[in-house]
Amino acid sequence: AQSVTQPDIHITVSEGASLELRCNYSYGATPYLFWYVQSPGQGLQLLLKYFSGDTLVQGIKGFEAEFKRSQSSFNLRKPSVHWSDAAEYFCAVGGRTGGFKTIFGAGTRLFVKA
Amino acid sequence: GAVVSQHPSWVICKSGTSVKIECRSLDFQATTMFWYRQFPKQSLMLMATSNEGSKATYEQGVEKDKFLINHASLTLSTLTVTSAHPEDSSFYICSARSLAWAGDTEAFFGQGTRLTVV
Repeated sequence: AQSVTQPDIHITVSEGASLELRCNYSYGATPYLFWYVQSPGQGLQLLLKYFSGDTLVQGIKGFEAEFKRSQSSFNLRKPSVHWSDAAEYFCAVGGRTGGFKTIFGAGTRLFVKA
Repeated sequence: GAVVSQHPSWVICKSGTSVKIECRSLDFQATTMFWYRQFPKQSLMLMATSNEGSKATYEQGVEKDKFLINHASLTLSTLTVTSAHPEDSSFYICSARSLAWAGDTEAFFGQGTRLTVV
């Protein structure tokens, strides 16, 4: 069965500091992996996605993620956080085997302090 | 990317009434649509998958008689919350995908519908 674990419910970082959000997945075949961001009361915005190929994926807003099959992980990183990055971040997994349905992790709330 | 639109963006209804939420694909044929529910400060939970012209497949624990899904055309799926109660108040989000797309194309999400039952 598909599942996603985001072990950190919330994280606080200082503006300008680096960020890493953790994500581990369980999927029976080649996974498609995603990171979405959601601001309060808003819909989802896709930050980046991995389907195949280069395991280091670049996304929007300066985010990147690295797929590590051996660790079943897809951690999200950003070298320098801006106050506007404060939001909820969701890691998600899907794929052909699951009929392309996307399963979300519990989310990590990012707080940015000045 | 492809555009998915939900209507309404927000709705308030009285307890015991039914409310319908529409999910439209504006520039592609959505052979598959997914419906999610998100309670405050929680994640998105998949409720059901609908394929055009077929009955929806509901996830475990989702009452199919309460959450009626219709996907009668390639551009429209509807979710009807029947006999709504305050505990049904939530953010409902749809996503859509086309069977014609290559495997490495994600489903696209609508902007969501905030339902409040009073």
